[in-house]
Amino acid sequence: DQQVKQNSPSLSVQEGRISILNCDYTNSMFDYFLWYKKYPAEGPTFLISISSIKDKNEDGRFTVFLNKSAKHLSLHIVPSQPGDSAVYFCAARGWTSGSRLTFGEGTQLTVNP
Amino acid sequence: GAGVSQSPSNKVTEKGKDVELRCDPISGHTALYWYRQSLGQGLEFLIYFQGNSAPDKSGLPSDRFSAERTGGSVSTLTIQRTQQEDSAVYLCASSQPTRGTDTQYFGPGTRLTVL
Repeated sequence: DQQVKQNSPSLSVQEGRISILNCDYTNSMFDYFLWYKKYPAEGPTFLISISSIKDKNEDGRFTVFLNKSAKHLSLHIVPSQPGDSAVYFCAARGWTSGSRLTFGEGTQLTVNP
Repeated sequence: GAGVSQSPSNKVTEKGKDVELRCDPISGHTALYWYRQSLGQGLEFLIYFQGNSAPDKSGLPSDRFSAERTGGSVSTLTIQRTQQEDSAVYLCASSQPTRGTDTQYFGPGTRLTVL
């Protein structure tokens, strides 16, 4: 039972353009969502989060949008830079599941110079 | 240290042997988590500690897996009688839970290979 899904295993964009990474979830009890970035041979690095009481959170080049009715969130990176090339994981936490995070499978983003 | 540290970074073992993986959380973080990532998969939750107690160990895949945390700091994940399907990257994270938010910070992981 995959409660958090990232349907695109990979995404390729040109430097300077927008990168949009998508994530869908099925558990309506999820109330807090996070995006992590992971480089090879390193642990995931926290990027940005959003609470279910909001529909948008922005931090510099990164913006996360949450559509609760569609159970969908997205991460926008503008402008994309080659250093953004990494695997991006969407994660969710619900008040019924305690503190554990449920992760998607990840999306490999490649930003081409 | 400034971040979560894990040791060893790599571990190769033979099927049937026991292994111990160590995690040093960020100083002051009361919550500690173990996850694992198998090849091509997302991160899978294993166990959660609050202080020295483990209120959620529901992700441990079998009774060959156990974990402990002492002094509210260092944690050890032990896998007994390792199997090839245990091969994965084992990741530790820590956090300082606050009302409404609980950002988990990850270590670099231990890559376990069972031959």
